[in-house]
Amino acid sequence: NAGVTQTPKFQVLKTGQSMTLQCAQDMNHNSMYWYRQDPGMGLRLIYYSASEGTTDKGEVPNGYNVSRLNKREFSLRLESAAPSQTSVYFCASSERGPAGGYTFGSGTRLTVV
Amino acid sequence: GENVEQHPSTLSVQEGDSAVIKCTYSDSASNYFPWYKQELGKRPQLIIDIRSNVGEKKDQRIAVTLNKTAKHFSLHITETQPEDSAVYFCAASSSGSNDYKLSFGAGTTVTVRA
Repeated sequence: NAGVTQTPKFQVLKTGQSMTLQCAQDMNHNSMYWYRQDPGMGLRLIYYSASEGTTDKGEVPNGYNVSRLNKREFSLRLESAAPSQTSVYFCASSERGPAGGYTFGSGTRLTVV
Repeated sequence: GENVEQHPSTLSVQEGDSAVIKCTYSDSASNYFPWYKQELGKRPQLIIDIRSNVGEKKDQRIAVTLNKTAKHFSLHITETQPEDSAVYFCAASSSGSNDYKLSFGAGTTVTVRA
């Protein structure tokens, strides 16, 4: 039982390049989330998908887009990477909403140079 | 939106002593309060949670208390051990039908000294 799988684990981008972070869960969860983690700032919500077919902006959506491809998969795209997007990105899922807690993926460490 | 503040940002305790982390929240509609532990280089993991109809919850050496009137909640770790060293995050959510997201505090780095 893999839980939440994120790829890649590490990535270095040049400013202006684009990339997509992939996330898949095998727990039949309805809700999925993308957070970024920066030192001293906790986990900040970028986008979330309450259920298949819906996506909503979180606290820091600028510079990102998402796609809820199906119930299992939720991807995060950086169209034109900037150094300010250097961060650790976590995908998470939950059965329905936050109650009962999130299951997090192992994270993607992204560096934009 | 919800704003969660967490204190202290760092906490150093002697092994065997207790550790207390405090959080406040702004949205009176919030009714679900989880705590996550993140070891170095690992993913955050849920360690305990509490809902607004409960004032206290315990699980072995950890406990969480909630004061809805004052809008604050706390994590208590007793008899600390080296494996308790980690970053701890509090979070809050209204957990209602229209709110599916958690707002996290900035985290507390706990170091347990042997």
